[in-house]
Amino acid sequence: SQQGEEDPQALSIQEGENATMNCSYKTSINNLQWYRQNSGRGLVHLILIRSNEREKHSGRLRVTLDTSKKSSSLLITASRAADTASYFCATDESSASKIIFGSGTRLSIRP
Amino acid sequence: GAVVSQHPSWVICKSGTSVKIECRSLDFQATTMFWYRQFPKQSLMLMATSNEGSKATYEQGVEKDKFLINHASLTLSTLTVTSAHPEDSSFYICSATKPGQPSEQYFGPGTRLTVT
Repeated sequence: SQQGEEDPQALSIQEGENATMNCSYKTSINNLQWYRQNSGRGLVHLILIRSNEREKHSGRLRVTLDTSKKSSSLLITASRAADTASYFCATDESSASKIIFGSGTRLSIRP
Repeated sequence: GAVVSQHPSWVICKSGTSVKIECRSLDFQATTMFWYRQFPKQSLMLMATSNEGSKATYEQGVEKDKFLINHASLTLSTLTVTSAHPEDSSFYICSATKPGQPSEQYFGPGTRLTVT
């Protein structure tokens, strides 16, 4: 099953610009996480935001969470070529001990 | 640390044969392990949740007789794809959680399965 939808499905920006990706989900959650995946590789955990938090920062990453709208956003500032990857949100459902991934955003950074 | 390994990293098998994929937590005991499948350019889809010493819980639409999961120890879970067909070709990823920390999953590097 897939909990969330991500928007946009694909994003291409110039190096140095900011990239914003959005995630919407359906049920109550304990927390929401963002992951990065380079093509054909495993997942890299980026950041976890708990349901009682509204914003979190980690380096060039900024994540927001709006539980009333059941949505989250991931902002990558000053993008670099190495940021080219797929980005997934994943929600930890309150009622189940599992996480469900969103549909993902494919980010391409043009040099 | 929390390192999860998978073996093999890639495998090619003939249609009709079975293939086993291992998932190991190297430096911690894993209460629960999860198996995901990912088709090209798609997201990860949860296949099943496995707890040590008990039967796996499969997600809706996943055939338990085709995808056999064994979680015989706190550091090892195996996924066996039985009678593989070309449509089973996919990227299989496992993850594991530590006792008392159900929200933090540690992911393996994945196994690329190609069925010819």
